[in-house]
Amino acid sequence: DAKTTQPPSMDCAEGRAANLPCNHSTISGNEYVYWYRQIHSQGPQYIIHGLKNNETNEMASLIITEDRKSSTLILPHATLRDTAVYYCIVRAYSGNTPLVFGKGTRLSVIA
Amino acid sequence: DARVTQTPRHKVTEMGQEVTMRCQPILGHNTVFWYRQTMMQGLELLAYFRNRAPLDDSGMPKDRFSAEMPDATLATLKIQPSEPRDSAVYFCASGLPNMYYEQYFGPGTRLTVT
Repeated sequence: DAKTTQPPSMDCAEGRAANLPCNHSTISGNEYVYWYRQIHSQGPQYIIHGLKNNETNEMASLIITEDRKSSTLILPHATLRDTAVYYCIVRAYSGNTPLVFGKGTRLSVIA
Repeated sequence: DARVTQTPRHKVTEMGQEVTMRCQPILGHNTVFWYRQTMMQGLELLAYFRNRAPLDDSGMPKDRFSAEMPDATLATLKIQPSEPRDSAVYFCASGLPNMYYEQYFGPGTRLTVT
């Protein structure tokens, strides 16, 4: 079973920041938070991951609360191409192990 | 731009026929995953390999599914005999056993069994 809880859907206006929440209240100390997204009809795509510090890359920022029980993925300036299902996944590192996908959040970016 | 490739992209077959799906992982990646996506079950792991050896195939129906890596550049997933409930999109992904490394997914094979 997935260890995360995400809202089923969200809307965001184009050009605005999209903030996607994820609850992972049972996360263990050795578990990382990963975010992937799946644009319609394509394979999932890695976005970002973190352990306890906030992370940023060219795609997004990941904010993890101090108690690590929740996190937020931020797309700073959402575009129509960011419309996708976003998956928050927690897993321990033991060498690129399988991903356990939940239902994710369907983000619709609206013009 | 290195990519995971999958063939065929689409397959329509009749119940009882054998289906073979192929995946070419990114060159140098030694970990290969097979996932299946359906509307009802979402994305789920079928099997994965490291250095061509199967590490976990507990997600596969053993009586009809088989996964192999004949060499480091080819992974195959076979279904024999196929059934309508096998209709799904099958994704292959590859990666390296590195904590900083993500999985790269292929475009998927959309299988329809009539």
